[in-house]
Amino acid sequence: QKEVEQNSGPLSVPEGAIASLNCTYSDRGSQSFFWYRQYSGKSPELIMSIYSNGDKEDGRFTAQLNKASQYVSLLIRDSQPSDSATYLCARKSGNQFYFGTGTSLTVIP
Amino acid sequence: GAVVSQHPSWVICKSGTSVKIECRSLDFQATTMFWYRQFPKQSLMLMATSNEGSKATYEQGVEKDKFLINHASLTLSTLTVTSAHPEDSSFYICSARGSAGEIYNEQFFGPGTRLTVL
Repeated sequence: QKEVEQNSGPLSVPEGAIASLNCTYSDRGSQSFFWYRQYSGKSPELIMSIYSNGDKEDGRFTAQLNKASQYVSLLIRDSQPSDSATYLCARKSGNQFYFGTGTSLTVIP
Repeated sequence: GAVVSQHPSWVICKSGTSVKIECRSLDFQATTMFWYRQFPKQSLMLMATSNEGSKATYEQGVEKDKFLINHASLTLSTLTVTSAHPEDSSFYICSARGSAGEIYNEQFFGPGTRLTVL
């Protein structure tokens, strides 16, 4: 049973568009959720964390959490070629962290 | 804040030798550190979780005698790959979590160590 489900993609969007990345999870006890960005050959970098239902905005990034429906999403506005990377969704339950397999995003100039 | 370093960033070794990788939290005390392995174009695989001063907890299928983890201080954890073989070639990434506040809830990753075993 996978802990965190992500569409592996690849997801392609044109430059300037909104990229929408989605993640679902099965454990209702999850407390915290995270989005990481991983460039090829590099380690993951935390870009957003969200703990309560609703939206959280940080610059061009918006994380959305819906605990009732058990999904968390990441919207990237005004997508740039530099946003091309793999995006990992993660959740924390107790002391454990669970990562999805990642969604590959390509922003086409 | 919340910076994690790893050393070395890459290493090439001969089959049968041992390699030690260091993971340091530079500006916070890491009560918990995690070690991951990632093969090309694959997802992160958690190898083990270590708490300062305690034995590491290994994930199923990870040989604890082959991947020795030491978390002797609140800022340093080491992973030693013993008797490395070519199939151990991978990208090894550590992450750390602090003791309170946001750094307790979040994991911060080191830059990774690329190991190549000839």
